[in-house]
Amino acid sequence: GENVEQHPSTLSVQEGDSAVIKCTYSDSASNYFPWYKQELGKGPQLIIDIRSNVGEKKDQRIAVTLNKTAKHFSLHITETQPEDSAVYFCAALMNRDDKIIFGKGTRLHILP
Amino acid sequence: DAGITQSPRYKITETGRQVTLMCHQTWSHSYMFWYRQDLGHGLRLIYYSAAADITDKGEVPDGYVVSRSKTENFPLTLESATRSQTSVYFCASRLSSVGPYEQYFGPGTRLTVT
Repeated sequence: GENVEQHPSTLSVQEGDSAVIKCTYSDSASNYFPWYKQELGKGPQLIIDIRSNVGEKKDQRIAVTLNKTAKHFSLHITETQPEDSAVYFCAALMNRDDKIIFGKGTRLHILP
Repeated sequence: DAGITQSPRYKITETGRQVTLMCHQTWSHSYMFWYRQDLGHGLRLIYYSAAADITDKGEVPDGYVVSRSKTENFPLTLESATRSQTSVYFCASRLSSVGPYEQYFGPGTRLTVT
């Protein structure tokens, strides 16, 4: 079935360093790829998204890249800060039935 | 702007009881979704609705019932709660199927079935 795979499941980086989370998707017709950040006790919050007609999108310290040929996309966080510690989810819109399918999440720890 | 709200935020119930989780959005979004979140499984779709009176099953619909008589409300009912339904439940909404595609989540309901 349609799915989104996300790696790694846990990531620890030193404060100030960069963090990269990678995802692959199965539906070649997918054209929308959002990323969510979930802090403890809260609902997932949309932080950035990318459409299939662009290869990269940036918003301050975060960026997302998309490779449609390889069916993978990545989240890059630069100059990490303590408040970046959270669980991050990638997702893909499955055009066939309009559902957004989520990866299993990456727990990011920013080490002081 | 209230956005999307869920109630109750916390619920403890006993096995076999019926419980309803409420979801309300103020954006007039067409699409609404129910997910459950369990450790190791991420966010799994239970049911979704493309409009009032239109609902469809997601990945894990067994044991759940939904209805959508009004655009703004999308209640989720556990007809006979089981311990395996202990989870955190998130409601979400999205404007339409033709974009924009941004999907927004509520704060969640933590349900414990004893």
